[in-house]
Amino acid sequence: QVQLVQSGAEVKKPGASVKMSCKASGYVFSSFAIHWVRQAPGQRFEWMGWINVSNGDIKYSQTFQGRVTISKDTTANIVYMEVESLRLDDTAVYFCARGWLQLTYLEHWGQGTLVTVSP
Amino acid sequence: DIQMTQSPSSLSASVGDRVTITCRASQSIGTYLNWYQQKPGEAPSLLIRSASTLHYGVPSRFTGFGFGTDFSLTITGLQPEDFATYFCQQTYAAPPAFGQGTKVEIK
Repeated sequence: QVQLVQSGAEVKKPGASVKMSCKASGYVFSSFAIHWVRQAPGQRFEWMGWINVSNGDIKYSQTFQGRVTISKDTTANIVYMEVESLRLDDTAVYFCARGWLQLTYLEHWGQGTLVTVSP
Repeated sequence: DIQMTQSPSSLSASVGDRVTITCRASQSIGTYLNWYQQKPGEAPSLLIRSASTLHYGVPSRFTGFGFGTDFSLTITGLQPEDFATYFCQQTYAAPPAFGQGTKVEIK
């Protein structure tokens, strides 16, 4: 069955970077896109960006452009997301999710990675 | 960017009740509207895509309706496992945006 398994929780200081992973299994990795969405405490979901695993095309939300980097390791079926210059309000659960295209429903989600930014 | 507004933010209901959640887009999005359910500590799960298409394995007590700017999710015959938070998402234009969520609680 389709699974997206994310890396574990992180605690970071303001100004630091965090790199998290999303390992896919149960389907042909290159046939789908991976999106990153975050959910800060008490806030709505916020779309951060996506990668077309097939052709490597990447798009970021303007909100995160320049501070977020999405990458992939096709041999290992893993997608990564790095967030730089962390701020206190970056404290959130970060989810990866599988979709078809940039504008698509998200039918499979990872379990989430909690990132806590604390002085 | 398109903004999504859900109402109500929360509601209390009893098992067996019929509940309706609404989602309004700041501009017309056709039927590019999806609904998700999220239980505490879990990832969201897709319920309905394209405004009214039930996702695989989702019980038929969930129905979606709407076009343009106004959409609804109805649960007919609320079950104990339906107490959760529900989110809408537009996928008409980038960036894909979510509603703020509606928490369905037990009365």
